[in-house]
Amino acid sequence: DTEVTQTPKHLVMGMTNKKSLKCEQHMGHRAMYWYKQKAKKPPELMFVYSYEKLSINESVPSRFSPECPNSSLLNLHLHALQPEDSALYLCASSQATGPNYGYTFGSGTRLTVV
Amino acid sequence: AQSVAQPEDQVNVAEGNPLTVKCTYSVSGNPYLFWYVQYPNRGLQFLLKYITGDNLVKGSYGFEAEFNKSQTSFHLKKPSALVSDSALYFCAVRGPWGNKLVFGAGTILRVKS
Repeated sequence: DTEVTQTPKHLVMGMTNKKSLKCEQHMGHRAMYWYKQKAKKPPELMFVYSYEKLSINESVPSRFSPECPNSSLLNLHLHALQPEDSALYLCASSQATGPNYGYTFGSGTRLTVV
Repeated sequence: AQSVAQPEDQVNVAEGNPLTVKCTYSVSGNPYLFWYVQYPNRGLQFLLKYITGDNLVKGSYGFEAEFNKSQTSFHLKKPSALVSDSALYFCAVRGPWGNKLVFGAGTILRVKS
């Protein structure tokens, strides 16, 4: 299995809702990432998990809450989002966080906040 | 801090012609360079990477890239473009001590038949 699977593929939520994005990989990768991507822009790093521990938080607002329950799963909990948070949310994984490791990306969750 | 520049917002090429998508980088120490492609409403797909060794790196779908240390460049090339190559291409870099992959702004490649 050489894939990163993200669910749901599409999500529409109101500003008062609570929802979660899920990411799963079975490649034995020990580093996992959340990125946010606006249309036709590069992905922006949000969080890095290394061996199930949060190692980087790129000053992301607290309405985004990551969770890594085990080495294969990565969640992003969403609460009280704003319309400007609408974007494609990408999950990625790599064997480790060393610089020579490329990332495997999921297909993303298209989030619309109304 | 590392950074990547992709000087062209869009590259247009006729099918069958060679294509080049440009990328220059800035990093302290040896660079680790990557190219990714993104089709509409999809995630990023890995094309190739340069870590060390030969300056010419071959990747997926017939793409290759040439690492040029003196010019700090890592241009993506393909000898004969296909219409199906039309997509958004990102160059990315990591420094030797960095655990963050930094992306360029992206270049839209349009291949016309």
